Amino acid sequence: EDKVVQSPLSLVVHEGDTVTLNCSYEVTNFRSLLWYKQEKKAPTFLFMLTSSGIEKKSGRLSSILDKKELFSILNITATQTGDSAVYLCAVLPANFGNEKLTFGTGTRLTIIP
Amino acid sequence: EPEVTQTPSHQVTQMGQEVILRCVPISNHLYFYWYRQILGQKVEFLVSFYNNEISEKSEIFDDQFSVERPDGSNFTLKIRSTKLEDSAMYFCASSEGRGGDTQYFGPGTRLTVL
Repeated sequence: EDKVVQSPLSLVVHEGDTVTLNCSYEVTNFRSLLWYKQEKKAPTFLFMLTSSGIEKKSGRLSSILDKKELFSILNITATQTGDSAVYLCAVLPANFGNEKLTFGTGTRLTIIP
Repeated sequence: EPEVTQTPSHQVTQMGQEVILRCVPISNHLYFYWYRQILGQKVEFLVSFYNNEISEKSEIFDDQFSVERPDGSNFTLKIRSTKLEDSAMYFCASSEGRGGDTQYFGPGTRLTVL
């Protein structure tokens, strides 16, 4: 069974700090790893990392994938209060016809002004 | 920017009643999904749907659940006889293709079973 473990479960930092969120996974036939930001309701897509794209960056957010060690990190620099959310990591297997995302429990990030 | 929409945002029902949760996926997407999140727990996959049939379902998706694409825009999840443990946030998602295309999520329907 596919498995995703995120750490820490929660994190409280001051505005302006840099944070690193961790995601380790076990999946049969890995295809991709996705990061989502969940504020009040819907998970909002941030990044997809695959074998051909192991590093992504968008503004203050960046993510890398280590396929050998089976983990990913999400970095947020110069944090703002709007970054407060639950950050979800999910993996997608490569089996044709299997489109099931397996999620971790998430990391709850709180930014103190 | 195109987005997945869901209605209602909150549904309260009595145990044993039938509920239908509605979703409008992004218009050019071909693959549709339902996930649920029980309060304080992980987001869990329920079912995926393509070409008017279920392509995969989880153990959670038993005979009480069904999905349908009744027309060209809506995608529905029906729970035939709700139980207390069905109380959760239900998310619809869609993707343009398969094989690892990004799944975009709707805002969710909070189902409360009394």
